[in-house]
Amino acid sequence: RKEVEQDPGPFNVPEGATVAFNCTYSNSASQSFFWYRQDCRKEPKLLMSVYSSGNEDGRFTAQLNRASQYISLLIRDSKLSDSATYLCVVNPMTGGFKTIFGAGTRLFVKA
Amino acid sequence: DVKVTQSSRYLVKRTGEKVFLECVQDMDHENMFWYRQDPGLGLRLIYFSYDVKMKEKGDIPEGYSVSREKKERFSLILESASTNQTSMYLCASRTGTSGHNEQFFGPGTRLTVL
Repeated sequence: RKEVEQDPGPFNVPEGATVAFNCTYSNSASQSFFWYRQDCRKEPKLLMSVYSSGNEDGRFTAQLNRASQYISLLIRDSKLSDSATYLCVVNPMTGGFKTIFGAGTRLFVKA
Repeated sequence: DVKVTQSSRYLVKRTGEKVFLECVQDMDHENMFWYRQDPGLGLRLIYFSYDVKMKEKGDIPEGYSVSREKKERFSLILESASTNQTSMYLCASRTGTSGHNEQFFGPGTRLTVL
């Protein structure tokens, strides 16, 4: 089993739709969770951290479910500019430096 | 504005050549990382460094070495390039020892080994 697993997609949604991605992780002791966004042929950039209580940033909501070991990202009112690959990132904190990246979920938002 | 730069965006080398990929960050970050990214596999950690002259192996260090002589610069070396090292190479830096901190990435180097 991979340490971090994501549905690769692609998710094809119309503008204005709500879309959600899940990501599961295998190490129950993991402490830090993030969503990064990667545009085509570009480097990954931090979208948002994921906090235990859940957090929201504009149209984006991230949640953590420790019991089931998954994190989620909800995008409301999708825009064309949201088209990208979304990477789930987990720090297992065993050693402190290692970061595990999921393979990413591709999102296409259509006009 | 934070910045991580990589020496080349595209590189084509021949099998057996020694390849140097350089990464420079201007944020005074302690930690620097080298990843490779392949379709369906995500980013995989090759090596990281938490201080000058310090290095630790990541998940896939075989065939690679690194050098960090100055805080701002982290080099990845392919001792004898092979075709299975054709990939996108991404450098990143991060401040502090906490895994809660953001990693900043360079633009990547797409390496093709013929």
